[in-house]
Amino acid sequence: EVQLLESGGGSVQPGGSLRLSCAASGFTFTNYAMSWVRRAPGKGLEWVSVISVSGTNTYYADSVKGRFTISRDNSMNTVYLQMNSLRVEDTAVYFCVKFAEGYLLPFDYWGQGTLVTVSS
Amino acid sequence: QSVLTQPPSVSGAPGQRVTISCTGSSSNIGAGYNVYWYQLLPGTAPRLLIHDNNNRPSGVPDRFSGSRSGTSASLAITGLQAEDEADYYCHSYDSSLSGPGVFGGGTKLTVL
Repeated sequence: EVQLLESGGGSVQPGGSLRLSCAASGFTFTNYAMSWVRRAPGKGLEWVSVISVSGTNTYYADSVKGRFTISRDNSMNTVYLQMNSLRVEDTAVYFCVKFAEGYLLPFDYWGQGTLVTVSS
Repeated sequence: QSVLTQPPSVSGAPGQRVTISCTGSSSNIGAGYNVYWYQLLPGTAPRLLIHDNNNRPSGVPDRFSGSRSGTSASLAITGLQAEDEADYYCHSYDSSLSGPGVFGGGTKLTVL
């Protein structure tokens, strides 16, 4: 059974940092690109970042570029999202998601999400 | 404003049929890119409902179906049940944007 378990969310002041983790199991982690998707309160889904199978290639939404860094540890089946210079508008539930095939859509499995609250 | 447009809300009584539209443009749905649908239930992991326009993953009831025509797509739910009350999102690639596609704004389904 595929499982994606996020952790690391919490409350932080503007300008602060958080590191999200996503522990994956139930599939061959090294065969799939991974992504983070967020949902802000009262808003829709927004793609945040993508990392390739090897971790060599990373992509970011313009809204987080230069502030967030995605990485993965294939020996630990874990993907991370380092979030720096957090803003109020980064408040959201962050989902770890798996691509269905390599780097191809859709996102066939999602984690339950972890809440990040940025507030003074 | 989302690139893919969905109605903010739809509703229906138990047993009824509802549809949720997803309107795009020539750079996404109209370009022939596949459409995907996800269901977000409170407190649970979102799940993939429809892939490649009209295909259901294993375990998704056949009450859920998808279609695509021109620059739009639709999700239909027949035999509405209370547990179908959730948020639904469409998703597709867009050739004018980088990244893994674009999402619709989401539709809240209320079962009356």
